[in-house]
Amino acid sequence: KNEVEQSPQNLTAQEGEFITINCSYSVGISALHWLQQHPGGGIVSLFMLSSGKKKHGRLIATINIQEKHSSLHITASHPRDSAVYICAVTGNQFYFGTGTSLTVIP
Amino acid sequence: NAGVTQTPKFRVLKTGQSMTLLCAQDMNHEYMYWYRQDPGMGLRLIHYSVGEGTTAKGEVPDGYNVSRLKKQNFLLGLESAAPSQTSVYFCASRRGRETQYFGPGTRLLVL
Repeated sequence: KNEVEQSPQNLTAQEGEFITINCSYSVGISALHWLQQHPGGGIVSLFMLSSGKKKHGRLIATINIQEKHSSLHITASHPRDSAVYICAVTGNQFYFGTGTSLTVIP
Repeated sequence: NAGVTQTPKFRVLKTGQSMTLLCAQDMNHEYMYWYRQDPGMGLRLIHYSVGEGTTAKGEVPDGYNVSRLKKQNFLLGLESAAPSQTSVYFCASRRGRETQYFGPGTRLLVL
């Protein structure tokens, strides 16, 4: 049983496309996190949110607490956005999704 | 600030050998975590610490021990390495309810 489910698992897009990655969770949470892991392996936190919407550059994260669902959007995608995007939630402990592997083709 | 650092970056062990992974953070964070990441699986929590001198078990603690003698350091020990412990290990830290900061990872291969 996975407390955090992401979709899709893999995503290929053309440069410039609008991208959406989805995350659903089944536990009570105090916050939801979106992380980015580049091929080199390092993990960077993109967003932490507990309600509503946050925007940073071309990235937008939304969360619907009632539906236990979050989305990460990337506008005007670029090859440098190619990475694995991981959804994680903070409840009694941290729970992580298995990640969405995004490839943006020039 | 260096953030979160991990030592070593890569290590090969033979079954039965022991080793210690070091995590250090210079952000005065109270919370520190050790995770392992395996193909097709999300990050899984091994052990964590909510402050100097305290540690607790996570989701997959068997075969590992930890110590937090100083606030800035969190050590992960493998007393008798097994091939099932081949993985990438990530350390992370955070302050209060803020987001986590991750180290660069340690790749461990147990033969």
